[in-house]
Amino acid sequence: EPEVTQTPSHQVTQMGQEVILRCVPISNHLYFYWYRQILGQKVEFLVSFYNNEISEKSEIFDDQFSVERPDGSNFTLKIRSTKLEDSAMYFCASSVLAGYQETQYFGPGTRLLVL
Amino acid sequence: KQEVTQIPAALSVPEGENLVLNCSFTDSAIYNLQWFRQDPGKGLTSLLLIQSSQREQTSGRLNASLDKSSGRSTLYIAASQPGDSATYLCAVRGSGGYQKVTFGTGTKLQVIP
Repeated sequence: EPEVTQTPSHQVTQMGQEVILRCVPISNHLYFYWYRQILGQKVEFLVSFYNNEISEKSEIFDDQFSVERPDGSNFTLKIRSTKLEDSAMYFCASSVLAGYQETQYFGPGTRLLVL
Repeated sequence: KQEVTQIPAALSVPEGENLVLNCSFTDSAIYNLQWFRQDPGKGLTSLLLIQSSQREQTSGRLNASLDKSSGRSTLYIAASQPGDSATYLCAVRGSGGYQKVTFGTGTKLQVIP
């Protein structure tokens, strides 16, 4: 069964460094998403992406964050200058469409630790 | 702003018991509601999705209901098994963003053999 994959599974970085988290969505999906989950807290929506542009973003997704689909398969989340509070599990998701009956399929996540 | 709450936060039951997990949301203008399962250190697995026009969905031993007007959903698990042990999350879509999904805090379920 097709699945969303994410790399790396774990990343440790120093505060102020840039990180890029990578995702490969399911191949026929058109909508892509990033979520994060700070340890012990709720899963939070960051951004959705369609047709090579951001279609929706939350208040968390500030200028430090950016997303890109550099080729036909990868979907990336970049954090320009990481802060301690960026430490979280980051989930990528994809869906075929964005209709009300569409299920979002989630990847296994990347655990980011900022020191 | 949509708020999603799940009760109880944790639940421990003996194997074979039927159980109900609850989810409530503050804004009834939703597109759909989805139940997920999260295993420790893992991603989210979609269990059931209920469209806003539907009242319930069933998959195997799982049955999810939706009462949009009262802002509630329940996930019923029949004949629980130790493999059902996980955190169950409910998430609503819409209201504050067409594609934005708002998650609840989750119910951590432990099924004791």
